[in-house]
Amino acid sequence: KQEVTQIPAALSVPEGENLVLNCSFTDSAIYNLQWFRQDPGKGLTSLLLIQSSQREQTSGRLNASLDKSSGRSTLYIAASQPGDSATYLCAVEMYSGGGADGLTFGKGTHLIIQP
Amino acid sequence: GAGVSQSPSNKVTEKGKDVELRCDPISGHTALYWYRQRLGQGLEFLIYFQGNSAPDKSGLPSDRFSAERTGESVSTLTIQRTQQEDSAVYLCASSLYVGQLTEAFFGQGTRLTVV
Repeated sequence: KQEVTQIPAALSVPEGENLVLNCSFTDSAIYNLQWFRQDPGKGLTSLLLIQSSQREQTSGRLNASLDKSSGRSTLYIAASQPGDSATYLCAVEMYSGGGADGLTFGKGTHLIIQP
Repeated sequence: GAGVSQSPSNKVTEKGKDVELRCDPISGHTALYWYRQRLGQGLEFLIYFQGNSAPDKSGLPSDRFSAERTGESVSTLTIQRTQQEDSAVYLCASSLYVGQLTEAFFGQGTRLTVV
């Protein structure tokens, strides 16, 4: 059974710092990996999607890398801003022949950017 | 619609009552997923629908849970004889199709409280 772990569980840093969020998964036979952010009282917002054949994706100040063989992904946030404060979730999608098993999520990293 | 819509946004119900949660996916999205997030825990996959195929019910926690979807439109998640342990945020997501290159879009969720 796929398990996704995110480290750290919580992080508080001053505005302007660059930071890295980590995600690891136990079964490397993934279809893709997504990073989401979750704001209080709101649904999830997709940030980046990395296909299993890709190594990284970039969107603005965000860069996500994927090392499928070692079961790891990182989300790099450059020049952090208070608006980046949220819970960041990593999720992997498996393919089980007859269809996907849905996304398996980590428990998230709760990020606070101090003004 | 422009995004995934869920209703109601909040539901308080008495233990033992039945509840029905609704999800309107993005128009044209063939895949629809239901997830549950209990307080302090990660997202838990419940069920997904892909086009007209029979749904994958493997994630449903008990036979009190059921879900339906008419074609590629609205889905309803029904919980019968609710228990306090059913209290959670129920999130619905849709994607163009299941597999690579998909990006899942989430609704804002329904917060269910069983008292």
